[in-house]
Formats: sequence, structure tokens, C-alpha cells
Amino acid sequence: SAVISQKPSRDICQRGTSLTIQCQVDSQVTMMFWYRQQPGQSLTLIATANQGSEATYESGFVIDKFPISRPNLTFSTLTVSNMSPEDSSIYLCSVVEELAKNIQYFGAGTRLSVL
Amino acid sequence: GENVEQHPSTLSVQEGDSAVIKCTYSDSASNYFPWYKQELGKGPQLIIDIRSNVGEKKDQRIAVTLNKTAKHFSLHITETQPEDSAVYFCAATLKGYSSASKIIFGSGTRLSIRP
Repeated sequence: SAVISQKPSRDICQRGTSLTIQCQVDSQVTMMFWYRQQPGQSLTLIATANQGSEATYESGFVIDKFPISRPNLTFSTLTVSNMSPEDSSIYLCSVVEELAKNIQYFGAGTRLSVL
Repeated sequence: GENVEQHPSTLSVQEGDSAVIKCTYSDSASNYFPWYKQELGKGPQLIIDIRSNVGEKKDQRIAVTLNKTAKHFSLHITETQPEDSAVYFCAATLKGYSSASKIIFGSGTRLSIRP
């Protein structure tokens, strides 16, 4: 399976600031996704990162708050903008290598605390 | 859309005993059911999966069963060991990903193995 690297692994930020999280994959993948996992909760899909075009956001998530880029088939970024304490979560990148199999692999996540 | 329910939310078993986690899904079109294990401070790791054309799959101490008629599937861990302590997530989706066939995760089960 693809090796997924996320940076940073954790961060503590002040409210009102923004943080950009990077996801790098060691091979070209078909699909890339961003999830949020609030403390003690399940995984919630934020958006699908589309290569060369705007991301597809899930209900409750908007581009102004979570801008996403995917310039190529191995790299994506998620920005958490104008942060508040409610944004304190784990943010996870995941990938699907082959559409036909639809198996998702996850990065280790970015643990974000907003003060 | 698909909805996945997972029980129990917490489970404590004696080392060496078996653990069973159960999930139900709502969309009869779902045909792929992965299970993820998330250890503290890490991202979810795929541990086993099953497709709708089989009723059971086993990998060493881990097995998954699927009942399509009842729309439920279960994870069985035998001879539990301390390293099995983690949060386990079931999920359901359609093989052959499209924008309409996201992976839907259960709420998670926190498994603790007592020495």
C-alpha cells in the first residue's frame, strides 16, 4: 500500500490564525481525501481533493474555512482558516490507489489544538 | 444514504478471550466492508475487509462475517493480546468509488484487553 506522510504531526495554534497541513504520498494515487476526527469520535469526511480542480466538500464544510489544494497525484494540502477552539481535532489524509478496489489508506494524522 | 451503526462502544475482555464487534448497515447496495484499527496517536489502519460475495474471511486471529440478508457484519478477534487494545471502526461502501459511494464509518469501539 501507499506510504502517506502528513506534516505537521501536531500543532498548537492561537485562535484567528490559519494552519496548512500537508499530505505527501510515495506513489501516484487516484483519490485523496481529508477527514476530521474530533476527540473520541468517528471520522467525518471534509472533502475530496481533486487534482487540478476545486475540492468537493461535504455538507457542513466550506471552502473558505477549509481550502484544499491538490496540484498533482501525490500531494495535497488542507488549510484550517481563522481557527477557533472548536477546530481542535485530528485531521487525517487518506488515499485510494485503485478505484476498482476502493480501499482507503490513512496517514498518521495532524493533532491540532487551538487556544 | 448509507448509515452504519456499531456496537458496543466500549469492550473489555480478559487476555486470551475472544472479542466480537458488530455493525449494521442500511444501504443494501453496499458491497465492501473494511475494518480499521486505530491505536493511540496513530491514523486508522486497515486490518481486514470483506466483499459482499463472501460470507466470512479470516486472517490469523481476526475474522469477519457478513450477513447480507440481515445487513450486518461482525469482527471477531480470538486469543486476544494486549496489543489488540485500540479503537476499531467498521465501515461500508460500494466497490468502484464514485462521488456517490463514500466510505461511511461506524462510531467506533474502544477495546481494552485486561492482563
